[in-house]
Amino acid sequence: EPEVTQTPSHQVTQMGQEVILRCVPISNHLYFYWYRQILGQKVEFLVSFYNNEISEKSEIFDDQFSVERPDGSNFTLKIRSTKLEDSAMYFCASRTDSQGRGDFGPGTRLTVT
Amino acid sequence: RKEVEQDPGPFNVPEGATVAFNCTYSNSASQSFFWYRQDCRKEPKLLMSVYSSGNEDGRFTAQLNRASQYISLLIRDSKLSDSATYLCVVNRDDKIIFGKGTRLHILP
Repeated sequence: EPEVTQTPSHQVTQMGQEVILRCVPISNHLYFYWYRQILGQKVEFLVSFYNNEISEKSEIFDDQFSVERPDGSNFTLKIRSTKLEDSAMYFCASRTDSQGRGDFGPGTRLTVT
Repeated sequence: RKEVEQDPGPFNVPEGATVAFNCTYSNSASQSFFWYRQDCRKEPKLLMSVYSSGNEDGRFTAQLNRASQYISLLIRDSKLSDSATYLCVVNRDDKIIFGKGTRLHILP
């Protein structure tokens, strides 16, 4: 069964550095998402992406965040200048349509020191 | 008011017992509904979709009441491997919205 993949599995970075988290969604999926989960807290929506543009974003997704789908397969989340509070698990998800099940990747654990 | 609300638990339940979780959602425009399961430090994984007619998958039964904006999950004959966090998930427009999750511990 096809799966969403994410790299790296764990990223450690210093405060103020830029990070890029990578995701390869399932190939026939059209809707793409980034979520984050701070340890012990709920899964929080960051951004949805469809038809090569952001369709919705949360308050968390400020100017420090950006997403790209540069080559039709990868879907990336960039954080320009990381803060300590960006430390979390970041999950990528994709799905075929706007009402179907979302398939989630295994996550990238981001640690900002 | 949170868009998706769940009792966080934990529910501590002996092996073999039946356990039920409930979830309410606030936005009547919500369009589709799911239960996901999340193990510690892992990604959420789809357990089952939820339909108004009710649906069953083995030991798991899910039900949706659109009038009351209420979703339920019943687990029968619980196993140790059912220990996890159960996430109520609602679709609105193209956004997947998670509840905070209900923690379940199955006790031997």
